[in-house]
Amino acid sequence: NAGVIQTPRHKVTGKGQEATLWCEPISGHSAVFWYRQTIVQGLEFLTYFRNQAPIDDSGMPKERFSAQMPNQSHSTLKIQSTQPQDSAVYLCASSSTVYEQYFGPGTRLTVL
Amino acid sequence: GDSVTQTEGPVTLSEGTSLTVNCSYETKQYPTLFWYVQYPGEGPQLLFKVPKANEKGSSRGFEATYNKEATSFHLQKASVQESDSAVYYCALRNMGYKLTFGTGTSLLVDP
Repeated sequence: NAGVIQTPRHKVTGKGQEATLWCEPISGHSAVFWYRQTIVQGLEFLTYFRNQAPIDDSGMPKERFSAQMPNQSHSTLKIQSTQPQDSAVYLCASSSTVYEQYFGPGTRLTVL
Repeated sequence: GDSVTQTEGPVTLSEGTSLTVNCSYETKQYPTLFWYVQYPGEGPQLLFKVPKANEKGSSRGFEATYNKEATSFHLQKASVQESDSAVYYCALRNMGYKLTFGTGTSLLVDP
């Protein structure tokens, strides 16, 4: 069991560029979550899929952020026109039960 | 919305001393409560789910007791080790499955 895989581990973009972050959940897990971690805001929920369907995107910024889960083996988080305040560690988690969410190591996004 | 407040860090302890991290929450629902631990370069990992009120949960020598009346659940360990150095988060989950985390408490244990 390789755990949740996130790629890339580090990404540096220039202001205004697009960033796409990838997550491969643990095989057989039906739920995928995205969180953002910063020093100032801590760990914040962004969005959640169950059986590939979007269930709750209440934490997603209304503009520039989008998430998809085209198949059960991966999910993507896309940030258009990145801004310095988007710099953060983006964490993906997957779950097969009500209780435990297994987190990946995160993608550290730096926007210059 | 839901909110979670926990002991401010960083906390520095000597090996063999005791640890308490305080956590309280506000929610209008009936939450499930958790403690997570995060090591450098990794995502948070579940330490344990806090059981029902007035029952103790435990894992790796850590314990937590949930006080429903005070809406608090504190993490304790009687004797910390250098390997316990990490950031500890309390979190709650309501019906929507998303986790609401506290701000995290950084623990450094001196050998």
